[in-house]
Formats: sequence, structure tokens, C-alpha cells
Amino acid sequence: DAGVIQSPRHEVTEMGQEVTLRCKPISGHDYLFWYRQTMMRGLELLIYFNNNVPIDDSGMPEDRFSAKMPNASFSTLKIQPSEPRDSAVYFCASAPRGSHEQYFGPGTRLTVT
Amino acid sequence: KNQVEQSPQSLIILEGKNCTLQCNYTVSPFSNLRWYKQDTGRGPVSLTIMTFSENTKSNGRYTATLDADTKQSSLHITASQLSDSASYICVVSTRYSTLTFGKGTMLLVSP
Repeated sequence: DAGVIQSPRHEVTEMGQEVTLRCKPISGHDYLFWYRQTMMRGLELLIYFNNNVPIDDSGMPEDRFSAKMPNASFSTLKIQPSEPRDSAVYFCASAPRGSHEQYFGPGTRLTVT
Repeated sequence: KNQVEQSPQSLIILEGKNCTLQCNYTVSPFSNLRWYKQDTGRGPVSLTIMTFSENTKSNGRYTATLDADTKQSSLHITASQLSDSASYICVVSTRYSTLTFGKGTMLLVSP
């Protein structure tokens, strides 16, 4: 298996633009997580899905952030409009049913200027 | 408020030496504690996961301990290698699957 796949790996955009981050979880995993990592705040859980259904989105910072999982093999995290303070590395992770083990993707480094 | 505190913030050791990283938590109700290793520019990789009933778990040269009474965990690295240079993150989960993350310890193993 190729592991969790994220795209793009790097994204540079101007303030006010829409940004879409993509994730393909490991096949057969029931859980999908979106994280944000900054130097100041460390890793933060934004939202997670179980069987494509959002379970906990309490970590989503504000309405500018939205996440979808239209099917078991694809998820998106969208920021609209983007702001400089959204600059961070965004990780996607997946986990199989009944396991605490999460497998992280390589991350997307987002820079908003 | 659930919190996870890690120490030290950063650490430099010589190759071949041992080291111990600390994690103190105030998370309730406790479910499990995880240690992750994160290489620069990569996603975290799980090292160990311990539940309430486990007080030690090993993964090669990495040994994690858990004292649920004092709410402390440690990660001991034996015979360090240059490839151990990374950030080590402690994560505590509640029974409601809420995760609380430590800020990590940055370890540099010097030749």
C-alpha cells in the first residue's frame, strides 16, 4: 500500500483565495483525520470522519474551514477565504476500525501571503 | 482542562548514549497514551500505544513507560543513532476519543 496520500505537498496562495487540500486514506481504513501543525501550537486535530461521516469537528477553527469525505477513498479540506494565519502544515491520517493506530500522510505545507 | 506537558523542549546527546523524554498529562477520562516520532518534513509515525493497564511497552530501542497514578509517561531511547534525531510527540486520548497533544521534544543526536 502506498500509505496516506496528500496533495499538493506545497501550496502558496494569496490572502483571500480559496485553498483545497486533498487526502486519499489507506484502503480499508474506516477513520480519517485532518490535523494542523504550527510551531506555536503544535499538532491540532481539526476534524475526523468515521465511514465518511464527520464525527467531531470541534477543532475546526472557524467557518472558513470545511471538510468533506464524499467516499471512502477521498477527503478534502477547504479554506475559503484563506488568511496568513492559516499558514501551517496540514496532515491527513487514517486508521483501521478498532485500532488506535493512526497512519499519517506526508502533509501539505500551506503558505498564505 | 486537558493538558499534556513534555520535557525537555529540546535535547542534544552524543551518538550511542541513552536518553529519556518525559510526558506529564492531566487528561480525563484516560483511554490511552501514544508516542510518535516525527522526522523533519514528514508526518508523525507511531512508536507505542499504551492503555491504562499497561505500564511498559517496547519497540526496538524505544521503551515507553506509563504511570497512570501519577499521570506520567517516559520514552527511553537506548544506544541512540543519528536517525533518532527527530521530534517526539506525546498524545493522550480520552475514552471519548478526544486527543490532547504535547508540543513535542526535539532530539538531536550528534556524531
